[in-house]
Amino acid sequence: DQQVKQNSPSLSVQEGRISILNCDYTNSMFDYFLWYKKYPAEGPTFLISISSIKDKNEDGRFTVFLNKSAKHLSLHIVPSQPGDSAVYFCAASENSGYALNFGKGTSLLVTP
Amino acid sequence: EAGVAQSPRYKIIEKRQSVAFWCNPISGHATLYWYQQILGQGPKLLIQFQNNGVVDDSQLPKDRFSAERLKGVDSTLKIQPAKLEDSAVYLCASSSASSWGLGNEQFFGPGTRLTVL
Repeated sequence: DQQVKQNSPSLSVQEGRISILNCDYTNSMFDYFLWYKKYPAEGPTFLISISSIKDKNEDGRFTVFLNKSAKHLSLHIVPSQPGDSAVYFCAASENSGYALNFGKGTSLLVTP
Repeated sequence: EAGVAQSPRYKIIEKRQSVAFWCNPISGHATLYWYQQILGQGPKLLIQFQNNGVVDDSQLPKDRFSAERLKGVDSTLKIQPAKLEDSAVYLCASSSASSWGLGNEQFFGPGTRLTVL
């Protein structure tokens, strides 16, 4: 039962343009959402998070938007750089230190 | 600050053999997680420890998988006997969260890639 869904397995974007990665979830108890970035042969690296009391969180080139009514979040990368090429995982958790529920990931390729 | 350490990085075994993985979390992190990541999937929780106590092992196949976290620091995950479908990357993560809050993200180790032949 996949509670976190990333429906785009891959995305290709030109350098300098915006990358938008999408994520949907089904569990209404989720109230903490994270994005992780993963390079080959490495563990996932935390990128940015948002709690359900917010609808937007920004950190440099990365912005996460949360639409609770639609159970949808997105990660915007502006401007995209070749070093951003990686697999991006969306993850969600209920409160109180519960473990993360991950999507299947979206492979982002940023071309020069 | 040293990250989460895992060993070995790679392991190849035959089915029905046993295997063990080791994890050393970030110093001071009370919470430790083991995840299984099958190719093409996201990580899936196997077990969560808070200090040396188990918080959640509902998705751990207890007939073949076991894990312990003695003294609330290092942890080992064991598979005995291994099956073909256990081929995956086993990720260890740690967190400073004793209660959840923004910023208490999980930090992952590099993982152990297990191949069962």
